[in-house]
Amino acid sequence: EVQLVESGGGLVQPGGSLRLSCAASGFTLSSYWMDWVRQAPGKGLVWVSRINSDGYTTSYADSVKGRFTISRDNAKNTLYLQMNSLRAEDTAVYYCARFDFGYDAFDIWGQGTMVTVSS
Amino acid sequence: EIVLTQSPGTLSLSPGERATLSCRASQSVSSSYLAWYQQKAGQAPRLLIYGASSRATGIPDRFTGSGSGADFTLTISRLEPEDFAVYYCQQYVGSPGWTFGQGTKVEVK
Repeated sequence: EVQLVESGGGLVQPGGSLRLSCAASGFTLSSYWMDWVRQAPGKGLVWVSRINSDGYTTSYADSVKGRFTISRDNAKNTLYLQMNSLRAEDTAVYYCARFDFGYDAFDIWGQGTMVTVSS
Repeated sequence: EIVLTQSPGTLSLSPGERATLSCRASQSVSSSYLAWYQQKAGQAPRLLIYGASSRATGIPDRFTGSGSGADFTLTISRLEPEDFAVYYCQQYVGSPGWTFGQGTKVEVK
């Protein structure tokens, strides 16, 4: 079964750090570009970051640029999101999503991991 | 900056009725990158439509996407109980990435 499973969320104080992981199974992660999308409680979807298949090209939403770093370990079939200098407005469910060039859209999503930034 | 505006915010309908959801871009966009997702409460989004009008694998034919330029529509021909959810449109906006509409909630009347 093709699946993405996020982990690493939790409660963190403002200014703190957290690293999210997204484990892929049922497909070869190295063949796909991957993205992170977040959703604040009761709000809509917001794109956060993208990484290409070999990990050398990344992009970020302006709201997280300079604070978040996306990376991947294709050997471990795992995607990461390192989040530093966290703010209250980063509180959200974070989803990893697979980008399929056949669809030019996100065809597989993880179940999400909740990040709460609060003192 | 491309902004996607979805309307209405909430659609109150009964099972069996037709739902028409709108997604309007602030400027003309590529249909190739216009997608629609369904999100049920507590679940991850699911890809319904890609390329503005193509159904993703396993999506029932009661879901139809249409449109071009700056105006796109998702139509659900006959609402089934499992179709009551929030629907988002999405578009690639180049650097740095993607944007979503704010969502349309389809609720039971």
